[in-house]
Amino acid sequence: DTGVSQDPRHKITKRGQNVTFRCDPISEHNRLYWYRQTLGQGPEFLTYFQNEAQLEKSRLLSDRFSAERPKGSFSTLEIQRTEQGDSAMYLCASSIGTGLTGELFFGEGSRLTVL
Amino acid sequence: DQQVKQNSPSLSVQEGRISILNCDYTNSMFDYFLWYKKYPAEGPTFLISISSIKDKNEDGRFTVFLNKSAKHLSLHIVPSQPGDSAVYFCAHNAGNMLTFGGGTRLMVKP
Repeated sequence: DTGVSQDPRHKITKRGQNVTFRCDPISEHNRLYWYRQTLGQGPEFLTYFQNEAQLEKSRLLSDRFSAERPKGSFSTLEIQRTEQGDSAMYLCASSIGTGLTGELFFGEGSRLTVL
Repeated sequence: DQQVKQNSPSLSVQEGRISILNCDYTNSMFDYFLWYKKYPAEGPTFLISISSIKDKNEDGRFTVFLNKSAKHLSLHIVPSQPGDSAVYFCAHNAGNMLTFGGGTRLMVKP
C-alpha cells in the first residue's frame, strides 16, 4: 500500500469556479478526514467520515463545501463558487478508528490557488 | 474546546546541539498529545506521542516531556541533524480528531 493519495496535487482556478479534490485512503482504514492548512498555520479540521457516514463537520465548512465518501472508500471534497479565501492546502488523512493514540496518516495534500 | 499553541514560529540550532520545541494547551482533559513533522510539499508525518498518564516518552533521538501542572509539553531532539529541518506541529487527540498547534519551523545548520 502506498499510503494516502490525493488528486490533483495543485489546482489553480478563477474565483467563482467549482473545484473537486479526491482522496484515496489507506485501504484498511475506516476513518477519513479532511483538513485545511493556510500559510503559517497548523492544519484545521474540516470534516471526517467513518466508513460512508459523515460524522462531524467543522464550523469552517461553509455551505459552499461538500464532502462525500459514497462507498466508504475514496472521498471527494467539492468547493462551489470558490473565493480567494479558499486558497489553501487541503489535506486528507485516514486512520483505523481512533486507534490508541489517535494517529492520522496524511496524504501530500492538494494545493488550491484561487485567482 | 482544547486549544493548542506553539508560541515560537521558528527555531534555529547548530547541528549536533539540542533542539527544544514547545507547546502549551488549555484543557486538562486529554488522552494523547502527538508531534508531527512536515517537510515542504509533503503531508505531515507522525513523529512521537505521549499519553496523559506519562511524563516522558522517548524514541531514539526524540523525547517528549509532559508537564501537566503547567499544561506544557516539549519535544527534544538530540543530537539535531540537518535532515530534521522541517515544521513541527503538536496535536491533541480530541477523541474523534486531532487539533493542531500553529507549528514551529526548525532549521538545523550544518
